[in-house]
Amino acid sequence: GENVEQHPSTLSVQEGDSAVIKCTYSDSASNYFPWYKQELGKRPQLIIDIRSNVGEKKDQRIAVTLNKTAKHFSLHITETQPEDSAVYFCASGGSYIPTFGRGTSLIVHP
Amino acid sequence: DVKVTQSSRYLVKRTGEKVFLECVQDMDHENMFWYRQDPGLGLRLIYFSYDVKMKEKGDIPEGYSVSREKKERFSLILESASTNQTSMYLCASSLGPQNTGELFFGEGSRLTVL
Repeated sequence: GENVEQHPSTLSVQEGDSAVIKCTYSDSASNYFPWYKQELGKRPQLIIDIRSNVGEKKDQRIAVTLNKTAKHFSLHITETQPEDSAVYFCASGGSYIPTFGRGTSLIVHP
Repeated sequence: DVKVTQSSRYLVKRTGEKVFLECVQDMDHENMFWYRQDPGLGLRLIYFSYDVKMKEKGDIPEGYSVSREKKERFSLILESASTNQTSMYLCASSLGPQNTGELFFGEGSRLTVL
C-alpha cells in the first residue's frame, strides 16, 4: 500500500519566519495531496490541497508544491504567526482512501 | 457546513469491557472512516465504509469491528477493550464512493482503558 513519510517531526520558528514541511509518497498512482492542520484539542481540518495536474497552489500565506517525478510535495508557510502553531499532516490519495504522514508539530515563537 | 459528531468525547473503561464509539454525519456522505491517533504515529486507519452495510479493513483492524446500518451512522466496536487501545479515536466522512476529496473529522473520542 501507500507509504507517506513526513519531515520534520517538530519544527520551531520565530514569528515572521518561513516554515517548510516535506512529504514523500510511494504510490505513483496517487493524484490527490491534502494538508490538514490540527490545533491543540481540536479536529484536523483541511487547509490546502493539490492535485497531480498542478505543480503549485497558493492561498494567502500558504503554498503547496508537488514534484510527481520525485514523488514529493511540500507545505510552505510564509510570515508565520503564533496562531500557525499546530500539528500539520500531509496525506496522499491514490484512491478515495488517503494515507497520512505522521505529522509535524509546528511551534511559532512570538 | 458538514457536521461530524462523535457521541462521547471522553470515556474510561476497564480491560475486557465492550466499548461502542458512535459517529454521525449530517451531509449525506458516502464514505466514513475510523482513525486512531497516537503521538508520533499520526492518523492510522482502522476501518472504513463506502456504503451502508459495507466495510473494509484499514491498516490496523485487529481488535476492532464496525457497523454501518444507516448511511449517516458509523460505529466502532471494541469487543474486549485492552490497555493498548487507550488512544484518541477520530471519525471522518467524505463525499462519494470514488471521490478523492476532503475528509471532515469529528472532535474525537479519547478512550482510556484501565
